[in-house]
Amino acid sequence: GAVVSQHPSWVICKSGTSVKIECRSLDFQATTMFWYRQFPKQSLMLMATSNEGSKATYEQGVEKDKFLINHASLTLSTLTVTSAHPEDSSFYICSADQGKGNSPLHFGNGTRLTVT
Amino acid sequence: RKEVEQDPGPFNVPEGATVAFNCTYSNSASQSFFWYRQDCRKEPKLLMSVYSSGNEDGRFTAQLNRASQYISLLIRDSKLSDSATYLCVPWSFQKLVFGTGTRLLVSP
Repeated sequence: GAVVSQHPSWVICKSGTSVKIECRSLDFQATTMFWYRQFPKQSLMLMATSNEGSKATYEQGVEKDKFLINHASLTLSTLTVTSAHPEDSSFYICSADQGKGNSPLHFGNGTRLTVT
Repeated sequence: RKEVEQDPGPFNVPEGATVAFNCTYSNSASQSFFWYRQDCRKEPKLLMSVYSSGNEDGRFTAQLNRASQYISLLIRDSKLSDSATYLCVPWSFQKLVFGTGTRLLVSP
């Protein structure tokens, strides 16, 4: 149980374009999903917390107009990187909360974004 | 002070060795703790939860010392497949907090 699916696994795009990443909880409903980013040899950094039906909460330093998050249903959250630049190239990972108190999160398989 | 501090390593050990990792966390209000492992270019995967009384799962033993805000992970009889980065992760401020992790390399 507690499977989280993330698509695409990798994407290469040109500078200035937008990229959408999907995160789905396959066998449970997730009221909260989290989006992380990881640069090489660095730790996972939380970008934002996504709550179903409400606006996402962004961490300090993360531009909400650049990283658009939509959590339209209890099983789907999307992250759109708008006007991507090479410095946005990173490993983006989502995770979903089953809502059972402080239970461990289950992660999607991540999306490796390369902006050329 | 960082929220989570771990020795980044790498720890190079031979197969069959016993190795221990330590971790300290800064938020004394953290209620739950986990060890995750992350393979290169992959997502983190839950290894085990950490309970106050300490817990064991096969070759893995986790300990928690709330007074010292310290968590440990012991791996016995290391396998080549144990090579990965091990992340100590507390629940703090309604979210999981990740440090850089400790890299383990198990060699034949």
